[in-house]
Amino acid sequence: GNSVTQMEGPVTLSEEAFLTINCTYTATGYPSLFWYVQYPGEGLQLLLKATKADDKGSNKGFEATYRKETTSFHLEKGSVQVSDSAVYFCALIFYSSASKIIFGSGTRLSIRP
Amino acid sequence: GAVVSQHPSRVICKSGTSVKIECRSLDFQATTMFWYRQFPKQSLMLMATSNEGSKATYEQGVEKDKFLINHASLTLSTLTVTSAHPEDSSFYICSARSLSSGRLQETQYFGPGTRLLVL
Repeated sequence: GNSVTQMEGPVTLSEEAFLTINCTYTATGYPSLFWYVQYPGEGLQLLLKATKADDKGSNKGFEATYRKETTSFHLEKGSVQVSDSAVYFCALIFYSSASKIIFGSGTRLSIRP
Repeated sequence: GAVVSQHPSRVICKSGTSVKIECRSLDFQATTMFWYRQFPKQSLMLMATSNEGSKATYEQGVEKDKFLINHASLTLSTLTVTSAHPEDSSFYICSARSLSSGRLQETQYFGPGTRLLVL
């Protein structure tokens, strides 16, 4: 079946450090891939997406590239800030009338000042 | 942006009692609402999809008589956990899609979640 695996947290970094959160997927076919972010006390928000192989999604300094050959969609940011502290969810969707979002388990990120 | 609220944010109840969780879209009309459940260190799992004015569609393995979902208006859906047991303790999250979301399934606006603890 379809699934998403992401690195376990928590991940703790110092401000301005480089961030990578790994995400790999298993899917029959070619899904669209997403990263969601959940800030403390708030609901999940769509952070970025990529709909086909080699697409790069980007937003707020975060980037992720859809790698079909490695079935991965790793999230990166060159210089993290304290305000990036949140839980990050990798997810996939097959677009169809019955499609639903399949989420990874989430990775908690904490940034030290 | 679109905001979805959930109430309560946290609830503790005794085994055998029923608990109602509300999900509201505050500044838009939600034609479809979703209920998810998340166990510690696990993924969000879709429990059911509800469309305003019609019966909810439950995912395989989710007991519809235990998890009652009502989507009576375009801004409110409720999840009632009936005869709760300790194994129902979990984090419940709702989300909503608006009329303008079209076919973009990822355009769901999520509530902050409700943590349920059944003693």
